[in-house]
Formats: sequence, structure tokens, C-alpha cells
Amino acid sequence: QVQLVQSGAEVKKPGSSVKVSCKASGGTFSSYAISWVRQAPGQGLEWMGGIIPIFGTANYAQKFQGRVTITADESTSTAYMELSSLRSEDTAVYYCARGAGHYYDSSGYPRPYNWFDPWGQGTLVTVSS
Amino acid sequence: DIQMTQSPSSLSASVGDRVTITCRASQSISSYLNWYQQKPGKAPKLLIYAASSLQSGVPSRFSGSGSGTDFTLTISSLQPEDFATYYCQQSYSTPCFGPGTKVDIK
Repeated sequence: QVQLVQSGAEVKKPGSSVKVSCKASGGTFSSYAISWVRQAPGQGLEWMGGIIPIFGTANYAQKFQGRVTITADESTSTAYMELSSLRSEDTAVYYCARGAGHYYDSSGYPRPYNWFDPWGQGTLVTVSS
Repeated sequence: DIQMTQSPSSLSASVGDRVTITCRASQSISSYLNWYQQKPGKAPKLLIYAASSLQSGVPSRFSGSGSGTDFTLTISSLQPEDFATYYCQQSYSTPCFGPGTKVDIK
């Protein structure tokens, strides 16, 4: 049974960056996409981006393009999400979640099956001066 | 971008009630629709994927239906542990979640 364990809570100043980790155990890591989803206090879920570790290329939501970087280290079964230029609106719980495998589209490009299970426990990032 | 809406935004129900939550996509997403349950302070839990497939380990009182733009999550007999917020999510294109439906105790 795959488990995702995230790094601990962070408090950051506006304008700084944060890097959150997500370590997988108990199952296959490299061929399943890892996505990052955030949830601001009292709000809904927002997909930020994802990566299929074996291919190494990340895809990002347009809203976060240029500000988020998602990477994966196959040797340690760990995915990372780095968010830069932090502002108060980035205060949220950040979750990693595993996708359901991948397929190849008509162009031969790998695409993830984007339903998410399991999820990490969440990492609270607080942005405050 | 595809937008997702859910109705109602909240509902009150009693144990044993049949509960139906609706999710609508702004354009056709075929059957690329997933449902999650989230309890306060916890990560979301996948209930249904591909519109109607029950995730392993999820009780059979949960079911999903629909295709195209209109989808439904049904809880056939609400149990005390089912009081939570439910989100739909499309996986047809860039993943996007609905705003959620909070189910609380009447």
C-alpha cells in the first residue's frame, strides 16, 4: 500500500520561496504521476501541477506557471514542489497526491491518469511578514 | 479552461437518507469525472473515478453516474461517517475541482 509522507509546516516571509517534499513508500514510484494540490483556509481544492517521475517533465496549471517548480528524485522516491515569490494568498495546506498511472496520447506523449489516490497528509505553509 | 460547478453547495440530511450531489462541467468531459470526500483537517479521499468506478475499499453505498457535462454522486443510505465535504474533479484536461458540497447533520 503506497503511502505519501510530506515535510513539515513552514512559515515564510512574503517574497521568499518554499520547497515541500513528498516521500513515497510501499509501492512503485517512478511510473505514477505525483500532483500537487493546495487548499487555502476554508476554501476548495486547487491543482497546481504534476510530474511523472520516470519521464521527468512537469506540467503546471497556468495560474502557477513561472512560480512553481515540481521535481522528482527517483533514487529516494521523493517529489518536491517549490513555490517562489510567496504572498499572503499562498497561505494554504499543500498536498501531494499520486495519480493512477499513465498512457500515451496520439503523439506518443505520456499523459497521466489524473485521479488521485493516495494523498499525503498535507503541509501547512503560512506566508506572513 | 473547463469550469466545474456543484449543487447544492450544502445540504442537511439524516442518517439513513438518500443523498444526491450534482456536478456540471462547462463543456463535455466524457466520463473523466472523479469524486472525493474530505473531512475537516484531513486529506481528500478518492471515492469514485471515471464517473462510475468505485475506488477499492469504498463502501458500495457510494455510486456515481453521468457522462458528458452532467454527473451525480449518490449515497444510498447516509451513515454518520459520511458527514463531510464532497468535491468533483475533472481529469479530461488540466485537472480542476468543483467548489464542494458540504453534507451536515439535520
